[in-house]
Amino acid sequence: DIQMTQSPSSVSASVGDRVTITCRASQGISSWLAWYQQKPGKVPKLLIYDASSLQSGVPSRFSGSGSGTDFTLTISSLQPEDFATYFCQQANNFPLTFGGGTKVEIK
Amino acid sequence: QVHLQQWGAGLLRPSETLSLTCGVYGGSFSGYYWTWIRQPPGKGLEWIGEITHSGNTKYNPSLNSRVTMSVDTTNNRFSLTVTSVTAADTAVYYCAGSYCGGDCPSRTFDSWGQGALVAVSS
Repeated sequence: DIQMTQSPSSVSASVGDRVTITCRASQGISSWLAWYQQKPGKVPKLLIYDASSLQSGVPSRFSGSGSGTDFTLTISSLQPEDFATYFCQQANNFPLTFGGGTKVEIK
Repeated sequence: QVHLQQWGAGLLRPSETLSLTCGVYGGSFSGYYWTWIRQPPGKGLEWIGEITHSGNTKYNPSLNSRVTMSVDTTNNRFSLTVTSVTAADTAVYYCAGSYCGGDCPSRTFDSWGQGALVAVSS
C-alpha cells in the first residue's frame, strides 16, 4: 500500500494568513492526488483533484501543486470558514489511501 | 454530481454482519465508480472498496474476505456487507461516487452520502 504522510498534523493560524499543508507519498503517484476539507460532524468535500485542478465551486484561494511524491495544498488567505481538517488522497493505486489529516485551528 | 442517501443498521454486536445501502439520485448511475469509505471516531479515512454499475469490484485487502459489495441497477443502489464485525469496525461509513466519463485512471470523490455511524459493542 502507498503510505500518505501529511505535515503538520495541526497548524494554528489567523484569518488572512497563508497556510501550506504538505503531503508525501511513499512512492511516486504522478499527479494522482486529491485534497479534501472536512468540518466537524460533516462530510468530506473535494477541493482539488489531479494535484492542482480546482473542483467546481471551490474558492480560488485554495490551490494545489506537486507531482511524484511531494504535494502541497495552499490557502492563500485563510477565511473563518476554512478552519477544518484537510486530507490528501492518492487516487491511482489500489487500495486507495488517505493521509492522516491536518487540522487548521484558530490562533 | 449526484445526491447519495445511505441507510442501514447502526448498532451491532461482535460477530454480527454490517449491512449498508446507498441510493443514488439525480444523475447517471452508470457513470460512476461507487465506493465505501469509513472513518473511525476522531481518526482518518479508510477506503473500503468500489463497485461499478456492472458489478466489477475492488476491495481493500485490509478487510480480507469480510467485505462484499453489490449493485442494484434497477433501483440505482449499491450495498456494503461486512461480516464478523469487531469493535475495530466502529466508524462512520460513507458511500461516495467517483465520476468517470471515459478512461478513468484515478478516483476522486465529488459526491458523498451523509454518513452513518456504525457502532460495534457487546
